[in-house]
Amino acid sequence: AAGVIQSPRHLIKEKRETATLKCYPIPRHDTVYWYQQGPGQDPQFLISFYEKMQSDKGSIPDRFSAQQFSDYHSELNMSSLELGDSALYFCASSPPGGLIYNEQFFGPGTRLTVL
Amino acid sequence: GDSVTQMEGPVTLSEEAFLTINCTYTATGYPSLFWYVQYPGEGLQLLLKATKADDKGSNKGFEATYRKETTSFHLEKGSVQVSDSAVYFCALRGNYGQNFVFGPGTRLSVLP
Repeated sequence: AAGVIQSPRHLIKEKRETATLKCYPIPRHDTVYWYQQGPGQDPQFLISFYEKMQSDKGSIPDRFSAQQFSDYHSELNMSSLELGDSALYFCASSPPGGLIYNEQFFGPGTRLTVL
Repeated sequence: GDSVTQMEGPVTLSEEAFLTINCTYTATGYPSLFWYVQYPGEGLQLLLKATKADDKGSNKGFEATYRKETTSFHLEKGSVQVSDSAVYFCALRGNYGQNFVFGPGTRLSVLP
């Protein structure tokens, strides 16, 4: 079965650079979520999109932005990178038909290292 | 806001030992409850879930029962294997929100 695809899997950047993370949801899933997991920490919700519109916002820094495109893939854009942005970034998707009780299917994550 | 509390790790057990990882939550309404597992270097995988009070989720020998009276969703397994070594996250999804709220995770190490 198709899963959530994230690219790249690993990314190394220097401070003050920019990075773009991509997420391709499971086919026919219309909602995408982004999470940040720091070393040894639990995943923290950043932002979500439903039908290409931002639907919920969590602890996403102002330096980050995201969008969902017409094919439902999503991109997380990160600017002015800081050392503290080093983390595993997960994307998750969920299918249509209601938000309640639907589980989220997680991608493998993109490991971002800021030097 | 909604929150999830898990027992602190790491938890180290011998193979075939009994496992309990405690999880309690705070939420308004009637959240859905989940256990996710994260193997080293990998993403989050759904282990089991329960969507209403007294529901029991089960998978791969793991079980958890949604206890509304104690706001708990403890994870149990009767006989752990070395391959169960991973980090386990308890999570909830409120019925008024979309995103998940995760607990801090509990690292389990099973020794042969």
